[in-house]
Amino acid sequence: TQLLEQSPQFLSIQEGENLTVYCNSSSVFSSLQWYRQEPGEGPVLLVTVVTGGEVKKLKRLTFQFGDARKDSSLHITAAQPGDTGLYLCAGLFSGTYKYIFGTGTRLKVLA
Amino acid sequence: SAVISQKPSRDICQRGTSLTIQCQVDSQVTMMFWYRQQPGQSLTLIATANQGSEATYESGFVIDKFPISRPNLTFSTLTVSNMSPEDSSIYLCSVRQGPSYEQYFGPGTRLTVT
Repeated sequence: TQLLEQSPQFLSIQEGENLTVYCNSSSVFSSLQWYRQEPGEGPVLLVTVVTGGEVKKLKRLTFQFGDARKDSSLHITAAQPGDTGLYLCAGLFSGTYKYIFGTGTRLKVLA
Repeated sequence: SAVISQKPSRDICQRGTSLTIQCQVDSQVTMMFWYRQQPGQSLTLIATANQGSEATYESGFVIDKFPISRPNLTFSTLTVSNMSPEDSSIYLCSVRQGPSYEQYFGPGTRLTVT
């Protein structure tokens, strides 16, 4: 069974702090996506990474894909209350067409 | 990116009844999926909705419980049959587009079974 483990599971921080969320698997991804989901809404795609070692930036969010394409990280700089939500990674494994979702990280940023 | 709508947005249903959820996309898409998200959990893929043929179900999900229709490239339905309280979840429709298989989700249908 292919699993994506995210850590931490929960995170509560003060506004202005930095944080990193990790997504790990024992299998190789052909691509990986990060989503943010707010209560009452569907997940919203933040980024797709496809190349080992790739780094993408989206304002205060930095996404990194591991060299071996088995892991990824999401770093948020100077977190704001608007960053609060459920962060999900989703990996597409080689030879499949289905994304497998990670276990999720629930982030709360306190003003 | 595709714009996806779902109906109903939420419902409260009695045990033993069935509910059909509709998913409408503003453009033609080849790949359409149905997910379940149980309270406080991540997303689990129920099935791939195939246009013109039977849906492809994931392990643990069967057609009798979750019949799916996909009459064209912009529309699909998921029925949750003979509901029990364990079926209380958010049901999400999603589509995939683009060379990087970017995936987009509808707003979800929040189902509560009493």
